[in-house]
Amino acid sequence: EIVMTQSPATLSVSPGERATLSCRASQSISSNLAWYQHKPGQTPRLLIYSASTRAAGVPARFSGSGSGTEFTLTISSLQSEDFALYYCQQYNNWPPLTFGGGTKVEIK
Amino acid sequence: QVQLVESGGGVVRPGRSLRLSCAVSGFSFSLYGMHWVRQAPGKGLEWVAIISYDGNNQDYADSVKGRFTISRDSSKNTLYLQMNSLRPDDTGVYYCAKQGGSGFSYYGLDVWGQGTTVTVSS
Repeated sequence: EIVMTQSPATLSVSPGERATLSCRASQSISSNLAWYQHKPGQTPRLLIYSASTRAAGVPARFSGSGSGTEFTLTISSLQSEDFALYYCQQYNNWPPLTFGGGTKVEIK
Repeated sequence: QVQLVESGGGVVRPGRSLRLSCAVSGFSFSLYGMHWVRQAPGKGLEWVAIISYDGNNQDYADSVKGRFTISRDSSKNTLYLQMNSLRPDDTGVYYCAKQGGSGFSYYGLDVWGQGTTVTVSS
């Protein structure tokens, strides 16, 4: 099973600033990585797939990069609605699909 | 619009069974793989099971293998999760999710239901 590790666990950012979230895979997953946003009490939302392709309707301030074992989700200018939990998920070698433990983006 | 609506959650004693349902609308159900994902209280997302678009292939997380069964009824546009021998660590919110990409293609889980809560407690 591929283990996904996200860092940091919590990221404190001021509105308008850039946020950089990291995700590491325990072995190479090529570009088979997705990112999700999850707000408490709401449904998870697909942001990025294939490491860097934005899902339909996702604002351009969200961007993904990386391949192999190291990946990054960048939010270029944080808006109030962006404060949430973010998960990465690998789908290179599945089942099982595996999620990272999540990064909480909070208001500084 | 595309919509997934789960039902069937509740409070159940350890060792008992529960069946979750996920009614789908707004897309061609029979073209897409479908998944169940859960979230235990205070924990992250955990993938539970997948069923292929045609219903011929299923797979499960090790934590539920042999106890849970995923199925689908295309005539009713409904996904199911039969959960047997429930344990306290099965407690959580259960989401059904649509696979992005038709057939066996995977581009993330692009549509999620609102979730249904399962509590396993004596």
